[in-house]
Amino acid sequence: QKEVEQNSGPLSVPEGAIASLNCTYSDRGSQSFFWYRQYSGKSPELIMSIYSNGDKEDGRFTAQLNKASQYVSLLIRDSQPSDSATYLCAAGGGADGLTFGKGTHLIIQP
Amino acid sequence: SQTIHQWPATLVQPVGSPLSLECTVEGTSNPNLYWYRQAAGRGLQLLFYSVGIGQISSEVPQNLSASRPQDRQFILSSKKLLLSDSGFYLCAWSVQGAGYTFGSGTRLTVV
Repeated sequence: QKEVEQNSGPLSVPEGAIASLNCTYSDRGSQSFFWYRQYSGKSPELIMSIYSNGDKEDGRFTAQLNKASQYVSLLIRDSQPSDSATYLCAAGGGADGLTFGKGTHLIIQP
Repeated sequence: SQTIHQWPATLVQPVGSPLSLECTVEGTSNPNLYWYRQAAGRGLQLLFYSVGIGQISSEVPQNLSASRPQDRQFILSSKKLLLSDSGFYLCAWSVQGAGYTFGSGTRLTVV
């Protein structure tokens, strides 16, 4: 059974601070890892993808992958109130779909 | 650019009624297509995926079925809805293992 585990939160972070979101995955065969942002009542939106160990930066977002520890993280710098959402971690690698965590609810406090 | 269309946006159906949700993709050929369901308080659950016309793989046994009559069309169906079928249904596409793009979703309430 492939699983992706995330802390459900809520995670409360002051505006302008760094938000740190984490997840672990069970399938060592996973090759692709993604972070999605989901606003209430909306569909998930892809914000970061990462395929190899290390860090990947895109604007205010940094994804980190450690395959040995089966651990993926997302850092959001200079957090804004518009970053308040549920963040879904996903792992996969083939055509048979991604396995999603249940998501972490992030609240950015103005 | 690639776009994905999903309809209807909301649906209220009585128990025992049939269901048909449609998803179409534009701007790409031979995409992998997926149906996910997100129930209240639960994560995204993969229901079906398809790697080509007429090729359907089911992840969860249930009273739902899927079909792919055309390369860029994916349909989710049920002959008789159950209360437990309520949820947010999402269609998604991907090409070569890249990030999956979701449609806007259908919120289904079975009453």
